[in-house]
Amino acid sequence: DAKTTQPNSMESNEEEPVHLPCNHSTISGTDYIHWYRQLPSQGPEYVIHGLTSNVNNRMASLAIAEDRKSSTLILHRATLRDAAVYYCILSSAGNNRKLIWGLGTSLAVNP
Amino acid sequence: DAGVIQSPRHEVTEMGQEVTLRCKPISGHNSLFWYRQTMMRGLELLIYFNNNVPIDDSGMPEDRFSAKMPNASFSTLKIQPSEPRDSAVYFCASSLGGYGNQPQHFGDGTRLSIL
Repeated sequence: DAKTTQPNSMESNEEEPVHLPCNHSTISGTDYIHWYRQLPSQGPEYVIHGLTSNVNNRMASLAIAEDRKSSTLILHRATLRDAAVYYCILSSAGNNRKLIWGLGTSLAVNP
Repeated sequence: DAGVIQSPRHEVTEMGQEVTLRCKPISGHNSLFWYRQTMMRGLELLIYFNNNVPIDDSGMPEDRFSAKMPNASFSTLKIQPSEPRDSAVYFCASSLGGYGNQPQHFGDGTRLSIL
């Protein structure tokens, strides 16, 4: 199963951009890259996903490397409410392969 | 719109007792997932249903765990008999479609403590 590698923790200041990296060197051609986040005492929350092209939504942007072996989740202006654990996960369309959730990156946002 | 609804939010019971966790997925979603989260092992998929049929139960720890989905709007995860090592937060999630490219929507979880 393709795995992802993320830093254990990162820190940011409020209202500054945050770039959360993820390495997935064994990604296959049909694997989508998903990002979820989990706020304290809550269930995981979907953030964004993509396949090859960069993606933008109201929450964040996803930048995918040309070789697809890495990606970066971009929070354009961090707020205190963005403090959470961020998970980078691969999933394959049409393949009932179990999602592998790593330990994610714990993001702290300083006021 | 109502999200995924789980009950109870907290459950404390003694070892050996039967525990039943409940989940109501988002209306219209045809896939349902049960996860368990602990500090040691993180988030683990226990079982995945598609159109009410169990597709992948390879994550179910042992025979003490069972899950059912009698209809599109309800699922249960049962532990019988329960053991202290089953203490964890159990999440239910639903999505349109299977693992692929569809986001999963999670409930708030059931925090289970087995004494």
